[in-house]
Amino acid sequence: AQSVTQLGSHVSVSEGALVLLRCNYSSSVPPYLFWYVQYPNQGLQLLLKYTTGATLVKGINGFEAEFKKSETSFHLTKPSAHMSDAAEYFCAVSEWGNNRLAFGKGNQVVVIP
Amino acid sequence: GAGVSQSPSNKVTEKGKDVELRCDPISGHTALYWYRQSLGQGLEFLIYFQGNSAPDKSGLPSDRFSAERTGGSVSTLTIQRTQQEDSAVYLCASSLDPGAGEQYFGPGTRLTVT
Repeated sequence: AQSVTQLGSHVSVSEGALVLLRCNYSSSVPPYLFWYVQYPNQGLQLLLKYTTGATLVKGINGFEAEFKKSETSFHLTKPSAHMSDAAEYFCAVSEWGNNRLAFGKGNQVVVIP
Repeated sequence: GAGVSQSPSNKVTEKGKDVELRCDPISGHTALYWYRQSLGQGLEFLIYFQGNSAPDKSGLPSDRFSAERTGGSVSTLTIQRTQQEDSAVYLCASSLDPGAGEQYFGPGTRLTVT
């Protein structure tokens, strides 16, 4: 069964600094990988996804992630944090033929002015 | 266009009561999912509907939980004899492509069992 590990439940970053959120996955078959963002009292919004093809994936709001099969990782980055990036971020994995998403525990990002 | 909608947004119920949570998926989306988000367990898959196929119920935590999807559209998640550990946010999502397509999430229903 697939699973996701996100370390560090709370991440503090200074405004303008690099945002780096780590995600490692476990999957018995080539995975589909996703990053979702959740703002307070809202549902999940897709930031970006990897299915096949280019391993560097660009998403909304200036975020990108790179799929590294050898490291079983899909880390999320943004070069310069904005105050509006304060939210909870979830990495998720699904496998072809298994349509459920398995989520990591999430990272609560705090942006310090 | 309209996104996934869920009702009610908040529900407070007494232990032992039954509750029904509703999800209206995006029009034309054939796949519908229910997830539960709680402090202790994070985001957990509950159930998946795809077209007219039998649902994947493998994530339902107990037989007190059930769900149906009528006419391939609206879905209702029912929790019977609610317990305090059922308190959570219940999220619904729909997808046009159940293989690798993204799932679009509703705002959730916050259930509090007192």
